[in-house]
This record gives sequence, C-alpha cells and structure tokens, in this order.
Amino acid sequence: GAVVSQHPSWVICKSGTSVKIECRSLDFQATTMFWYRQFPKQSLMLMATSNEGSKATYEQGVEKDKFLINHASLTLSTLTVTSAHPEDSSFYICSARGDAGGRSTQYFGPGTRLTVL
Amino acid sequence: QKEVEQDPGPLSVPEGAIVSLNCTYSNSAFQYFMWYRQYSRKGPELLMYTYSSGNKEDGRFTAQVDKSSKYISLFIRDSQPSDSATYLCAMSVYGNNRLAFGKGNQVVVIP
Repeated sequence: GAVVSQHPSWVICKSGTSVKIECRSLDFQATTMFWYRQFPKQSLMLMATSNEGSKATYEQGVEKDKFLINHASLTLSTLTVTSAHPEDSSFYICSARGDAGGRSTQYFGPGTRLTVL
Repeated sequence: QKEVEQDPGPLSVPEGAIVSLNCTYSNSAFQYFMWYRQYSRKGPELLMYTYSSGNKEDGRFTAQVDKSSKYISLFIRDSQPSDSATYLCAMSVYGNNRLAFGKGNQVVVIP
C-alpha cells in the first residue's frame, strides 16, 4: 500500500518551454501532497505544499508563477515548470500524505529528472 | 544551527558489517522520526517510522530515538551490497505534516 507514481520519469526540454509533471497516489487518497527539489548529493528541498481544492502554499524563495501547482483531485497533483531555463534542471520529487499500516507520514514518488537545454 | 544535522559521509563498510547512522536535531517538539532510503536517481523509500523515544526493530534494521539527547540512530545488521544507498533521517511534529530532513548519509557496502 501507499504507492505514489510520477510521470514522466525524465524529460528533456528546450529553454523557454513549459513542462508538466504529474504525481498520483495509486492506492490511497491524499488530501495533501508535497513537491520537492533535489540537487545532486543534496537533501530534499521542500518547494510547496499542495492541498486538494485549494491554492498551494509555497516555501520562501520559490516563485509561484514559475512553478504552478494544481491539486485537482484526491489522487492527482501536477507541477508545471513554466518558461523553463537551464537552472531549473533538477530532480523533482513529490510525496503524498497518507496512512498505511498505522503510519501517518509522507510517501514519495520515484522522482522526475528535468533537463533544460 | 540547522534543525536536523546528519553527517553526509560517505561511509564504506565491508559486507556483513554493522552500519551505524545517526542524526541530531534541535527542535524538541519533534515527535515522529523516520528513516528513508534513497537509491541513486530514485525517490526516497520509507524504511523506519518511530513515534517518540525508544527502539524499533524490523528485520536487519533497528531505529533508536533518544528524545532527551535529541539524537536518533539507524543500525543495519549483516549489511549487504543492496543496502548501498543514501539514508535520510526525517522528523516532524505531527506524523504526516511537514518533514525536516537531514542531508542524507551515503552508504557503500563493499562485497
């Protein structure tokens, strides 16, 4: 139980284009999902908290107009990187808040590697 | 002072050895403590989950929490090459709320 998927697993795009990443909780409903960014050999950096049916809460320093988050249903949240630039290249990971086996915590997706040329 | 401190390593051990990892933290309100395992280019996988102080064992893995010292540990017995990964400690005030992560500790188990 508590499986989270992400799509795509990797994407390469040209500078200036937009990229959408999907995060799905496959076997549970998630009222809250989280989006993280991870640089090589670094820990996870929380970008935003996404609540179903409401606006996302962004961490300080994260541009909400650049990283658009939509949490349209209890099993799906999307992150759109708008007008991507090479410095946006990173590993993006989502997590979903869920309860499985008595553990109420975050369950992570496999991540999406974004490369902006 | 960072909320969670974790020595990033890397830590190399021979197969079969015991791996010992630890994190310290500064926020005494943390009650939920987790260890995640992350393989290269993959998302973190929940390994151990502990509430409050005490020990928890799951197969070859043992998690310890000492809230009085603000110190948590993960032990891996009979380490295997497949245990080679980065181990992240994480903690929160509420179990499913915002997580504070350590930097992650890279472990290499040498066959």
